[in-house]
Amino acid sequence: EIVLTQSPGTLSLSPGERATLSCRASQSVTNNFLAWFQHKPGQAPRLLIYSASSRATGIPDRFSGSGSGTDFTLTISRLEPEDFAVYYCQQNAHSPLTFGGGTKVEI
Amino acid sequence: QVQLVESGGGVVQPGGSLRLSCAASGLTVSNSGMHWVRQAPGKGLEWVALLRYDGINTYYAESVKGRFTISRDISKNMVYLQMHNLRPEDTGVYYCAGGSGWLAAGWGQGTLVTVSS
Repeated sequence: EIVLTQSPGTLSLSPGERATLSCRASQSVTNNFLAWFQHKPGQAPRLLIYSASSRATGIPDRFSGSGSGTDFTLTISRLEPEDFAVYYCQQNAHSPLTFGGGTKVEI
Repeated sequence: QVQLVESGGGVVQPGGSLRLSCAASGLTVSNSGMHWVRQAPGKGLEWVALLRYDGINTYYAESVKGRFTISRDISKNMVYLQMHNLRPEDTGVYYCAGGSGWLAAGWGQGTLVTVSS
């Protein structure tokens, strides 16, 4: 099983600031099949990034993904008020699929 | 636009059974990978099960293997999660998700399952 470790656990920032979230895998993720999701309380999770760096349909370009192998990063260039949420990485290359523990981005 | 609507959650005693349903629109389950993902109270997301587009190959988290079964009805464009021998640690919100390959591109709002005596 691939274990995904996200850091930091919580990120305290202000609107307009840059957020950098990390996701490290215990072994290489084949084809860089690494996705990022945004999750707000009471809502459905939303796909932001797939295949490490491709933005999903309708996702603003302030969200970007990078990385390969075992180290991946989600960057939010300028935080908007609606971006404060929990972010999860997930590998969808190997069964069992696994999620990281999440990073909470708070004001 | 993909819309997934879960139903079937509720309160069940330990050892009991429950079947969750997921009605899909804007997505055809016969050519999509369909998932169930859950979130226990105060915890993160946990992947539970995947039904590949072929309708034959299924994959499960170790924690539910042998107790949960994912299936689909192509004629109704629906996906199901049959859960047996439920445990208190199965309590949580269960989300249906689907997309191309193994990617969970679209998600439902979730249905709450509570396992308690």
